[in-house]
Order: sequence, then C-alpha cells, then structure tokens
Amino acid sequence: AQKVTQAQTEISVVEKEDVTLDCVYETRDTTYYLFWYKQPPSGELVFLIRRNSFDEQNEISGRYSWNFQKSTSSFNFTITASQVVDSAVYFCALSEAQDSSYKLIFGSGTRLLVRP
Amino acid sequence: ETGVTQTPRHLVMGMTNKKSLKCEQHLGHNAMYWYKQSAKKPLELMFVYSLEERVENNSVPSRFSPECPNSSHLFLHLHTLQPEDSALYLCASSQDVGHYGYTFGSGTRLTVV
Repeated sequence: AQKVTQAQTEISVVEKEDVTLDCVYETRDTTYYLFWYKQPPSGELVFLIRRNSFDEQNEISGRYSWNFQKSTSSFNFTITASQVVDSAVYFCALSEAQDSSYKLIFGSGTRLLVRP
Repeated sequence: ETGVTQTPRHLVMGMTNKKSLKCEQHLGHNAMYWYKQSAKKPLELMFVYSLEERVENNSVPSRFSPECPNSSHLFLHLHTLQPEDSALYLCASSQDVGHYGYTFGSGTRLTVV
C-alpha cells in the first residue's frame, strides 16, 4: 500500500494565485517525520521543511505555509501569491521512527506550473 | 552550486559497459545515500552509508555496486545494466543517519542502450 499519496499529478495556475498541494500519508508508527522537497528543472531536490508527528503547529515561511493534520493524516503545502520560479515538482515524504534505515518514503510528486 | 556534487550529469552506456557515478559532499555530513528516480515511479532508496559503513541495501540488484571510501565521497559502480535501469540517480547527504532533511545533488541522468 502506498504510504504517501499526492493525488494531484499536475497543477497549473496563473502567477499571483494561491495554490495548495495535497499530501496524505499512512503509517502505524506513532513517531514519524514528514517532509516536503522541491525539484526544479535542474534536478536536485531542495529540502523545504521537516515536521515531526508530535508537532501539529502549522508553519509559515514567507510565501510558504504547511498545514499538518493528524486527524486526517494530511500534510498540505500552500504557496501564496505564486511566482513563475515556483514552477517545479514538489514531493511529500515520510520517515518512520521504527524504520532502522531512516529511509524517506516519497510520494509520486505534484508538478506545479505557474504561468506568467 | 549545491553542497552535493554529482558527476557526470548525463551518461549513456551500453548494456555491456562498466561505468561509475560519483558523488561528493563538502558539508561535513556523516551519512550519504543513493536514490533512483524513474519515470512514473516514486523515488526509491538504494543504499545508505553512515561513516563509510553501509547500513542499508534496499534489495538492489548486484549490477549496482556502491562504494564509500570516506565520508565525503560515494560511488555507484554500474555493470551489465538493463534498459529499465535508465533513470535519474540522485545522491544525498545528511548530518547523520536519522530523520533529517537531506541535501541532494543534481543527479546523473543515466540512459542504458
């Protein structure tokens, strides 16, 4: 069973629109970590945020904000006033404390296209 | 320029060739990783190294052979690959093995012909 689901394969918005990228995860572990990464066309994944399962406080960083809701197993990412430079593939990922390899389980990604 | 450098950026190889991918990090990190990114599949962990010791081999075929001579360098040796091995191979590092955010390289785009 897929543990991280990003149901939106591709989203297209016009510059300055707000956009929310959805992430739903599945785990039986009570301690886990959630991540978001951005992959621009250059290829490297850029770390955006890490959230542990005991911290449900929402976070805002500039135009980026994250909404973590354990009740719905979701960790959604919102970009406010989107810009063309936000165009990239965004990945949500899960790391489970019981996994001794600490591997990241990635979702399939959401491609965001911000049009001028 | 990222803190993790991968070379080459692109590689085309025949099924009988032997080649190596190189990864280098100057971040002082103790853990390094190889991930595979194929079209239409989620990123897959291949190998994990902590202080030059392999701590995870995620059921990867033996035609992929990792090497970590020191904590700054990681190699992926390739031999007798198949066309389905064509993918973007990403190297990453983190402070230690754990639930940390990784720093990724830009990847090597491998095409097996």
